[in-house]
Amino acid sequence: DSGVTQTPKHLITATGQRVTLRCSPRSGDLSVYWYQQSLDQGLQFLIQYYNGEERAKGNILERFSAQQFPDLHSELNLSSLELGDSALYFCASSDSYGYTFGSGTRLTVV
Amino acid sequence: AQSVTQLGSHVSVSEGALVLLRCNYSSSVPPYLFWYVQYPNQGLQLLLKYTTGATLVKGINGFEAEFKKSETSFHLTKPSAHMSDAAEYFCAVRNMEYGNKLVFGAGTILRVKS
Repeated sequence: DSGVTQTPKHLITATGQRVTLRCSPRSGDLSVYWYQQSLDQGLQFLIQYYNGEERAKGNILERFSAQQFPDLHSELNLSSLELGDSALYFCASSDSYGYTFGSGTRLTVV
Repeated sequence: AQSVTQLGSHVSVSEGALVLLRCNYSSSVPPYLFWYVQYPNQGLQLLLKYTTGATLVKGINGFEAEFKKSETSFHLTKPSAHMSDAAEYFCAVRNMEYGNKLVFGAGTILRVKS
């Protein structure tokens, strides 16, 4: 157990639907990062939050959004899903020493 | 901007042979460098990291990496491969210009032959 918890582990949904992925960072870590891993794009940075505020944005589609709550957990919302959104979505949290990744949510859009 | 290039998308070695996975980085500032391993259907596990100080970094499972500034490299090695080392390995650099995110290489799949 890395200390970063992601739920659900697997998600199967239809095109056009909306899903929410959840991440609880390691205790004490203020930063949360979201990554998308797909066969054709590799590991792509989506977005970072630090203590509730958006800190950096990467290759995140407008259909995707995220937020970090006062208890520091974060949610990634994916809407109007397309087949190409099928991927493994990772959350990571960091402190001054490094980055710890969760086990990911595997999203399959059918 | 910081970036990472991993040479070789697939590497195959025999059990007991030397493992060498190559990583070159680009960074305008002193880099923080990382190696992660991903086993099938699992998340990313940190093998080792370089921040400052000693350039030879030892990690878990017998892996080590050497930071060479003159070559802008951070190659991962292990003296003797085990079957259990078969996995995908990612090199990453911390991007300090924008939020301290990690920027990953494309990954190298290591195959260990018996």
